[in-house]
Amino acid sequence: AQSVTQLGSHVSVSEGALVLLRCNYSSSVPPYLFWYVQYPNQGLQLLLKYTTGATLVKGINGFEAEFKKSETSFHLTKPSAHMSDAAEYFCAVRLYNQGGKLIFGQGTELSVKP
Amino acid sequence: EPEVTQTPSHQVTQMGQEVILRCVPISNHLYFYWYRQILGQKVEFLVSFYNNEISEKSEIFDDQFSVERPDGSNFTLKIRSTKLEDSAMYFCASSESTGGMDGYTFGSGTRLTVV
Repeated sequence: AQSVTQLGSHVSVSEGALVLLRCNYSSSVPPYLFWYVQYPNQGLQLLLKYTTGATLVKGINGFEAEFKKSETSFHLTKPSAHMSDAAEYFCAVRLYNQGGKLIFGQGTELSVKP
Repeated sequence: EPEVTQTPSHQVTQMGQEVILRCVPISNHLYFYWYRQILGQKVEFLVSFYNNEISEKSEIFDDQFSVERPDGSNFTLKIRSTKLEDSAMYFCASSESTGGMDGYTFGSGTRLTVV
């Protein structure tokens, strides 16, 4: 079955430290890849997406992610964490020829310590 | 920035009652979706809708669920006879294209509590 795996349900970093949230997918054909952020009691906000072209994509709030086909990964990074980055982060894929539905990972809760 | 609007933000209902969750997608979007997130679990696909019919549905979307676009702007999810396990956050989403190359825009969700 096609799936999305986010390694680590909770990640804690210090303010100013590197943020690395991991996402791996299982698919024989590269999918479209998305990262969404969910702040408490809010909806899902698109951070960034990869569809085609350049494998390093930049998103909002200083986040970026790199699609690595050989590793079937799409890890999310930010060089310097800010307190306001504390939220739940979801990786999602839209599989080729699987309609428009998104398959989500289980989410990673990011905590930022002062 | 165009938004997907969902109402109500919270709904409490008794088991066995019917509920209708409402969504107003972005006006030029053609593809519409419902997802749900049970507390502490991942976001799950329920159904996609295009050209006034269901494009795809998950195994979760059984006969108790239905969707409708009654007036060209609203997109509704109806649960006919709610069960305790229907308690979840329900998200509506829309996209301009089926592939989501433009991304999918999600609403803020409706938290449904079945008691």
